[in-house]
Amino acid sequence: DTEVTQTPKHLVMGMTNKKSLKCEQHMGHRAMYWYKQKAKKPPELMFVYSYEKLSINESVPSRFSPECPNSSLLNLHLHALQPEDSALYLCASSRYTGEPPKETQYFGPGTRLLVL
Amino acid sequence: AQSVAQPEDQVNVAEGNPLTVKCTYSVSGNPYLFWYVQYPNRGLQFLLKYITGDNLVKGSYGFEAEFNKSQTSFHLKKPSALVSDSALYFCAVRAFSGSARQLTFGSGTQLTVLP
Repeated sequence: DTEVTQTPKHLVMGMTNKKSLKCEQHMGHRAMYWYKQKAKKPPELMFVYSYEKLSINESVPSRFSPECPNSSLLNLHLHALQPEDSALYLCASSRYTGEPPKETQYFGPGTRLLVL
Repeated sequence: AQSVAQPEDQVNVAEGNPLTVKCTYSVSGNPYLFWYVQYPNRGLQFLLKYITGDNLVKGSYGFEAEFNKSQTSFHLKKPSALVSDSALYFCAVRAFSGSARQLTFGSGTQLTVLP
């Protein structure tokens, strides 16, 4: 089973709202990722967690706050977003992030976010 | 730095014909190459990957890809296209290098299979 689940599927929020995206995997993977994807574009890496610790933050604005409560869960907390943050937010997981970098990343279905 | 190029934004093919989606890469070190497919309003689905060994890699849904080191290419192929193969395809690379462990995606190729 290579399933990564994400909730909610769709989210509409105002610029003053606080919301959270949730991602879950039960494959025993120790690396989890958040990506942002605009329409017809490739995913852009936002954050990488390795063994529940934040290992990469790709200069993402502080209005996005990731959290990894345990090895199966990954959250993305959203606050004071801008309309340009509207996008598909994808979660992914892999066994690890170490060398050699041959591990496959498995993606969830995404959360489509609209910021008004 | 590592990079991936998908030179065609759009590929159209008739159902039943063979299809090829092109990908070239640039890395320092040994490449690990991946193909993903994305259907409308869905996440990315893993199709296949090249790590080492046989240059012809077989994947899901009848897709295969050929690794060509001299041409630094990893083209995706299928002998007989289906209308249901219509989707957005991404090639991605990771290099065996401590400084660039993350996936680098190509710009994507929209495949349309015409009935």
